[in-house]
Amino acid sequence: DSGVTQTPKHLITATGQRVTLRCSPRSGDLSVYWYQQSLDQGLQFLIQYYNGEERAKGNILERFSAQQFPDLHSELNLSSLELGDSALYFCASSALAGGPHEQFFGPGTRLTVL
Amino acid sequence: GDSVTQMEGPVTLSEEAFLTINCTYTATGYPSLFWYVQYPGEGLQLLLKATKADDKGSNKGFEATYRKETTSFHLEKGSVQVSDSAVYFCALSKAAGNKLTFGGGTRVLVKP
Repeated sequence: DSGVTQTPKHLITATGQRVTLRCSPRSGDLSVYWYQQSLDQGLQFLIQYYNGEERAKGNILERFSAQQFPDLHSELNLSSLELGDSALYFCASSALAGGPHEQFFGPGTRLTVL
Repeated sequence: GDSVTQMEGPVTLSEEAFLTINCTYTATGYPSLFWYVQYPGEGLQLLLKATKADDKGSNKGFEATYRKETTSFHLEKGSVQVSDSAVYFCALSKAAGNKLTFGGGTRVLVKP
């Protein structure tokens, strides 16, 4: 158990809908990262938050947004869903903002868009 | 941009066989290198890491050495077990950004 929790574990929805994925980092970790794992794109970094502020952005679509709350949990919002958004979404956390520190991964949320 | 290339799988081995998974990277500067493992239905777990050239990371019988001259970080294990069946990801992290850039993953299947 990494100490990172993600809910829900599975999510099935229809095209055009909006969903919210939730992540609670390890106790004391200030950085949260979101990654998308899909068959065609592999594991891709989406976005990073540090202590409530956006720190780095990767290949995140404009239809997607995220935020980190004062209690440090984070939510990833996916809207106007398309079939191609079906993927496993991972959250990871680390203690610090910069440097090559270990990231601890949650179990993931599997999103299926029908 | 930065990238990681690792051998495609699946790699199928018998128990007690020797395992090597090749990983090469392209990056400016001096990235840190990682191997993560994903067991079926689970998230990624850090297997080992190396933060500078010639460092050797090791854990659970797995080893990898950071070779800057060949920009490689190959994963090895001398005697695999059925429980080593998983997908292995090579990744790098730059000091400036800290995001992980992953290779495509290599599925390993160990048969009894």
